[in-house]
Amino acid sequence: GNSVTQMQGQVTLSEEEFLFINCTYSTTGYPTLFWYVQYPGEGPQLLLKVTTANNKGSSRGFEATYDKGTTSFHLQKASVQESDSAVYYCVLGDHDAGAKLTFGGGTRLTVRP
Amino acid sequence: EAAVTQSPRNKVAVTGGKVTLSCNQTNNHNNMYWYRQDTGHGLRLIHYSYGAGSTEKGDIPDGYKASRPSQENFSLILELATPSQTSVYFCASGVDWGKDTQYFGPGTRLLVL
Repeated sequence: GNSVTQMQGQVTLSEEEFLFINCTYSTTGYPTLFWYVQYPGEGPQLLLKVTTANNKGSSRGFEATYDKGTTSFHLQKASVQESDSAVYYCVLGDHDAGAKLTFGGGTRLTVRP
Repeated sequence: EAAVTQSPRNKVAVTGGKVTLSCNQTNNHNNMYWYRQDTGHGLRLIHYSYGAGSTEKGDIPDGYKASRPSQENFSLILELATPSQTSVYFCASGVDWGKDTQYFGPGTRLLVL
């Protein structure tokens, strides 16, 4: 079956530092890859989405690139702000798996002012 | 604006009791989902539905039932609640297949004593 791995459970940065969150995935299908963000007290919401057709996505200063060779989908941001503090989920969608998504374990980002 | 609402937002139940969690969406999406969120596990899919009258088992369906009486409403039912079902539950809706965004509700915090 499909799987998604986020090795970093927690990341702590100061404002204006560079963010890198690692994500690797496993699937036999043709995936669509997502990053969802969850702020305290809320449900997850879409941050960005990438398909095999376009390889790279960006939103609100965040970027992610899909690398089929290394089956990775890392999230980056050049300069974080305190308001970016949240939990970030790497998520795999697979057309062959129907309507289901597979979530990684999540990475909690804390940004100190 | 997509809208998914859940009720109740907080629930305390006793072991062996019946619990019903409700979800309503005004997006006119075909698909709806129930997840639970636990530390270290990210979001795990319990049940989902492709439309009114349909329910499908997700990855962790044991101990849960689901009901989809209409396009807008999707319920999660715990017939005999156990302390291991203490968690935060999220409902989501989406269009079709694993390549489309899912829209999440705000969550229900369930404590089973």
